[in-house]
Amino acid sequence: SQTIHQWPATLVQPVGSPLSLECTVEGTSNPNLYWYRQAAGRGLQLLFYSVGIGQISSEVPQNLSASRPQDRQFILSSKKLLLSDSGFYLCAWSVGTGGPHGPQHFGDGTRLSIL
Amino acid sequence: AQSVAQPEDQVNVAEGNPLTVKCTYSVSGNPYLFWYVQYPNRGLQFLLKYITGDNLVKGSYGFEAEFNKSQTSFHLKKPSALVSDSALYFCALYSSASKIIFGSGTRLSIRP
Repeated sequence: SQTIHQWPATLVQPVGSPLSLECTVEGTSNPNLYWYRQAAGRGLQLLFYSVGIGQISSEVPQNLSASRPQDRQFILSSKKLLLSDSGFYLCAWSVGTGGPHGPQHFGDGTRLSIL
Repeated sequence: AQSVAQPEDQVNVAEGNPLTVKCTYSVSGNPYLFWYVQYPNRGLQFLLKYITGDNLVKGSYGFEAEFNKSQTSFHLKKPSALVSDSALYFCALYSSASKIIFGSGTRLSIRP
C-alpha cells in the first residue's frame, strides 16, 4: 500500500534562517506531488506541484522554493524565513495518470513557527 | 472560472441526529468532486468522490454525499452523527493538470 511521510512534525525557526521540509512517498511510481500551506486551521493554499522529476510549478510568488530530486521525494525550502511563513505545511500525492479520478492523499503535516 | 464554496463556517449537531455539510460548485464541463476530513494537527483524509454515475455516493465512516447537477451542489451527509465525527471538512473540485480546488472548510461539532 502507498504511504506518505513528512518531517519534521513541528519546527521552530528564527526569522532569517533557512528551511528544508521533506516529503517522501512509498508504494507508487511517478506520483504527482504537492505542497500546501494551511493558515489558522482553515483553507489550503497550493504552493507548488510536480508531475515528474525536476518539474516544478509554482502557484504563488513567495519566499519559498521546491525541488524534486527523486521520483518520490519532494522538498520545500527557503533561504531566509519570514514571519509570514509560519503555518501548517502539508505534502500530498496523487496517482500520476489518475487525472480527475485520483484523489490526493496527504501527509500529517509540519507545523512551522517563526520567531 | 472554477470554484467551490462551503457557505457554513460551522455546523453544530446533536449526537444521533442526521448531519449535512453543504458545498456548491461552479465549473464549465463535468464536475469531479471530493470530500475530505481533517482532524486536529493531522493531514486531510479522503472520504469520497463523485466522478460520474449515481448521484448518491457512499464513502468512509458512514458518510455519503448527494450530487445535484441542477443546484450545482454536493452536500455531505450522515444519517446519525457521532461525537467522533467532530472535525474540519473540506469540499474540493478537480481543476486542471491534476490540481484540486479546496473550499474554505466547515467545522463540524457534534455535541453528546
